[in-house]
Amino acid sequence: DAGVIQSPRHEVTEMGQEVTLRCKPISGHNSLFWYRQTMMRGLELLIYFNNNVPIDDSGMPEDRFSAKMPNASFSTLKIQPSEPRDSAVYFCASSLSTTYEQYFGPGTRLTVT
Amino acid sequence: KQEVTQIPAALSVPEGENLVLNCSFTDSAIYNLQWFRQDPGKGLTSLLLIQSSQREQTSGRLNASLDKSSGRSTLYIAASQPGDSATYLCAPANDYKLSFGAGTTVTVRA
Repeated sequence: DAGVIQSPRHEVTEMGQEVTLRCKPISGHNSLFWYRQTMMRGLELLIYFNNNVPIDDSGMPEDRFSAKMPNASFSTLKIQPSEPRDSAVYFCASSLSTTYEQYFGPGTRLTVT
Repeated sequence: KQEVTQIPAALSVPEGENLVLNCSFTDSAIYNLQWFRQDPGKGLTSLLLIQSSQREQTSGRLNASLDKSSGRSTLYIAASQPGDSATYLCAPANDYKLSFGAGTTVTVRA
């Protein structure tokens, strides 16, 4: 079975550019999470979707960040404009809302220069 | 806000030794607790999920215990192997929300 799929795996961009990260959750999972991991702050939840609806976006750092889930098999996290402090590894995870056991994707390593 | 502490921060053992990784959390009203493994530059792999009503969960050489009332969980890895070298993360869940500790980085020497 395919796990959570993320693309791209690595992204290098210049400050001010728009960045879009993509995620395909495990088929049948109805909950999707975006996390950010940095050395300083560890793993932080950015946003949580349930049945394609954003339920908790309290972790989204600022208005430059936005996330969408247009259907059950696809989600995007967009940063516009990007800044060097956004450099981190961004993970997508999915789960069944009945169990909440989360399965993580391989992550996207973002570097903003 | 859930605070998670993992002790020790790092551990180095010879192959064959048993590993004991400790996790403590401040909010005992958890739904479940997951243990993850993270290899350098990789994603998180779920090792065990222990429900709040359970005292322990086992998978192969791994055993996790949970004492919800005291806010503690312990991951035991029996007969460690060099392939067990990784960072292990504890994550209690309050409803859907996982809170992560900083992890314990394990090195198993051949």
